[in-house]
Amino acid sequence: DTGVSQNPRHKITKRGQNVTFRCDPISEHNRLYWYRQTLGQGPEFLTYFQNEAQLEKSRLLSDRFSAERPKGSFSTLEIQRTEQGDSAMYLCASSPRTGETGELFFGEGSRLTVL
Amino acid sequence: GDSVTQMEGPVTLSEEAFLTINCTYTATGYPSLFWYVQYPGEGLQLLLKATKADDKGSNKGFEATYRKETTSFHLEKGSVQVSDSAVYFCALSPDQAGTALIFGKGTTLSVSS
Repeated sequence: DTGVSQNPRHKITKRGQNVTFRCDPISEHNRLYWYRQTLGQGPEFLTYFQNEAQLEKSRLLSDRFSAERPKGSFSTLEIQRTEQGDSAMYLCASSPRTGETGELFFGEGSRLTVL
Repeated sequence: GDSVTQMEGPVTLSEEAFLTINCTYTATGYPSLFWYVQYPGEGLQLLLKATKADDKGSNKGFEATYRKETTSFHLEKGSVQVSDSAVYFCALSPDQAGTALIFGKGTTLSVSS
């Protein structure tokens, strides 16, 4: 199965620590999206890339959040100085540039627990 | 801004019952509309979509019709199965430029035999 892969699947950290999540999209997809999902809520858009260009980042929740996609393949989402409110599921999705609008392919997510 | 509102859950049904999950949207342009489903322990996956008014999306016995006049995209299935138990998300894409989907809060469906 060559779907979207996210690692780690679950991360437990102490408040104030930095965490990084990795997303490997479907290989031929050049759009990559990050979402956050909290309990009982739908996915909330954070940022997205087309190849290595970050086209939208104004929705990142604070300046503690940053994302990269240096070679247009995998992406990382880093949260610095984590807070308990950052506890959530972080979802990655990809789509082909020439695909029909809106069909995103999601990974299974990375769950963050901040103690 | 653009938004999606869907009915609160959980929805609990017996097998073979009729399902409706309501979804309405607010958008300034001409969005595309989607239903995504999340089965227990799995990632979100596209269930069906409609890209313009009066289009009907369908898949796995589920249907939804894009109603511009009522700004709605209600999900229906004539006879649910236990395997349909999942969380269902209504979503919109504001434009054709590949910008991100906007999701509703999700509706949990539980089907018992």
